[in-house]
Amino acid sequence: NAGVTQTPKFQVLKTGQSMTLQCAQDMNHNSMYWYRQDPGMGLRLIYYSASEGTTDKGEVPNGYNVSRLNKREFSLRLESAAPSQTSVYFCASSVRKDDNSPLHFGNGTRLTVT
Amino acid sequence: QKEVEQNSGPLSVPEGAIASLNCTYSDRGSQSFFWYRQYSGKSPELIMSIYSNGDKEDGRFTAQLNKASQYVSLLIRDSQPSDSATYLCAVRGGGTSYGKLTFGQGTILTVHP
Repeated sequence: NAGVTQTPKFQVLKTGQSMTLQCAQDMNHNSMYWYRQDPGMGLRLIYYSASEGTTDKGEVPNGYNVSRLNKREFSLRLESAAPSQTSVYFCASSVRKDDNSPLHFGNGTRLTVT
Repeated sequence: QKEVEQNSGPLSVPEGAIASLNCTYSDRGSQSFFWYRQYSGKSPELIMSIYSNGDKEDGRFTAQLNKASQYVSLLIRDSQPSDSATYLCAVRGGGTSYGKLTFGQGTILTVHP
């Protein structure tokens, strides 16, 4: 059971470059999320998708775009990377957004922007 | 005031002792509460969830919730070196924040032999 799969695991970008982080879940969950984690800041929500076909901004959406490609896949795009986007990015999923179901996390992508 | 606050630690306890981790939250309408454990370089993993006032026990772990005081805690009995990790408190909001899950900054726990 793969759960939530993220690719790539590591990435180094130069300022201004673009890239897409991929996420897929095989648990038939409706809701998917992108978080970033910085030292001392906990996990901060970037974007989420409550269900297939919908996306909404979280706490820190500036500089990012997302696509809910289908029920399984939710990608995060950095159009013009900045050093402030150096972080660890986690994708997560849950059965539904507005209930008691917990989040299941992927293994993370460690991104460095130079 | 942060929406979810935890002491960042580090909290250091001897092997076999009880580790007590605390979390306070600001949204009185919050609905559900989670504790995640995160080992260094790994992703968060769920260890406990609690939805109503009182205690919930699962093996060596006990979660305690007091909605009146807006306080949730995690007790780890018979602490082991393998419990050394960062513990994240997460709170799902109510009211205008219904469904929004907010994380605290995490408490670093070190269990020394």
